[in-house]
Amino acid sequence: GQNIDQPTEMTATEGAIVQINCTYQTSGFNGLFWYQQHAGEAPTFLSYNVLDGLEEKGRFSSFLSRSKGYSYLLLKELQMKDSASYLCAVRDSNYQLIWGAGTKLIIKP
Amino acid sequence: DGGITQSPKYLFRKEGQNVTLSCEQNLNHDAMYWYRQDPGQGLRLIYYSQIVNDFQKGDIAEGYSVSREKKESFPLTVTSAQKNPTAFYLCASGDSLNTEAFFGQGTRLTVV
Repeated sequence: GQNIDQPTEMTATEGAIVQINCTYQTSGFNGLFWYQQHAGEAPTFLSYNVLDGLEEKGRFSSFLSRSKGYSYLLLKELQMKDSASYLCAVRDSNYQLIWGAGTKLIIKP
Repeated sequence: DGGITQSPKYLFRKEGQNVTLSCEQNLNHDAMYWYRQDPGQGLRLIYYSQIVNDFQKGDIAEGYSVSREKKESFPLTVTSAQKNPTAFYLCASGDSLNTEAFFGQGTRLTVV
């Protein structure tokens, strides 16, 4: 079966750096997405990786290793507004998105 | 402003009643999706559509129905056959199956 694993919850301190990991086992691979979702709201697109390596976008970076079935989202200079759930999703060989359950990130002052 | 609009944000229905959730987009996207989100689980695909007048079942289509008569609109009907309909429903759209999806604000359906 297809599976996306991410930690259920993480806690970090304002101003610090946090890394959220995602491992996947899917039928084929056509890209990996990270989304941010605040409680009760819609997910918003953060990043997309299809080739190995690091993609940087401001305070957020995303890394992919296809051979290891592994990605991480790195958040720098954490702000209180970064408290949210972070969803990892992989597009499989049928171009369907397979979603992880999300990682709830709690930022403390 | 361009975007995806779901309505209503909160919906309450009695058990045994059908209910239709609205989803409209003005992004000129070809692909539209309906997902269900339950606590502790990833988003699960209910139905998706790549073009007008065509749609395919997702992983959990039983008890749901959709239509795609217009490019902008992709309503979802939750029928009385859906065993556990209380959930957060998310509509999304994208240029195609190859691009990222943009989400509506969601509809929280509670069946009592």
